[in-house]
Amino acid sequence: EDQVTQSPEALRLQEGESSSLNCSYTVSGLRGLFWYRQDPGKGPEFLFTLYSAGEEKEKERLKATLTKKESFLHITAPKPEDSATYLCAVQPFGNTPLVFGKGTRLSVIA
Amino acid sequence: GAVVSQHPSRVICKSGTSVKIECRSLDFQATTMFWYRQFPKQSLMLMATSNEGSKATYEQGVEKDKFLINHASLTLSTLTVTSAHPEDSSFYICSAPTVFGGNSPLHFGNGTRLTVT
Repeated sequence: EDQVTQSPEALRLQEGESSSLNCSYTVSGLRGLFWYRQDPGKGPEFLFTLYSAGEEKEKERLKATLTKKESFLHITAPKPEDSATYLCAVQPFGNTPLVFGKGTRLSVIA
Repeated sequence: GAVVSQHPSRVICKSGTSVKIECRSLDFQATTMFWYRQFPKQSLMLMATSNEGSKATYEQGVEKDKFLINHASLTLSTLTVTSAHPEDSSFYICSAPTVFGGNSPLHFGNGTRLTVT
């Protein structure tokens, strides 16, 4: 069964304190792995797609990496506006829908 | 970038009434849209796949007669919660890929908070 596990469930950082969020997955065949940001009461906002092990993508203070078993979302020198829930999802091969993790709730304190 | 618009953002209704939620793709055509439900501090749960011009595909455990989906055009899908009850209170979100079947990411609407009293 395709599965996505995100850790930690919640993370509290001081402004400027870099850290990483983890997304572990088991999937029969990976077509793509997606990272989303979700603010309270809003729909998820697309951040990155990763397709193969070794791939990295960057956007401002965020960098996503991918191995054959997991993905990391690295946050460098975070700011309070980075506070949100970060969701990871995998797209298996075939006509199966995206499988989402439960997310990591990030709070960045000034 | 691709934009998906969802309306209304919030709705409060009485038990037994029906509520319609609209999802529009604003700058692309969406032959397929997805409807999700999200409980507090939980992940997104896929309810159904909406297909333009054909019947929706429902996930196991989702009542098709309760959650009516219509995908009347390439830019509009609607979800109607019929005879709503308090347990239907939740956050409903629609999404669409700009290209179905490939690696195109899903673009999400801003969700609808449904409260049934």
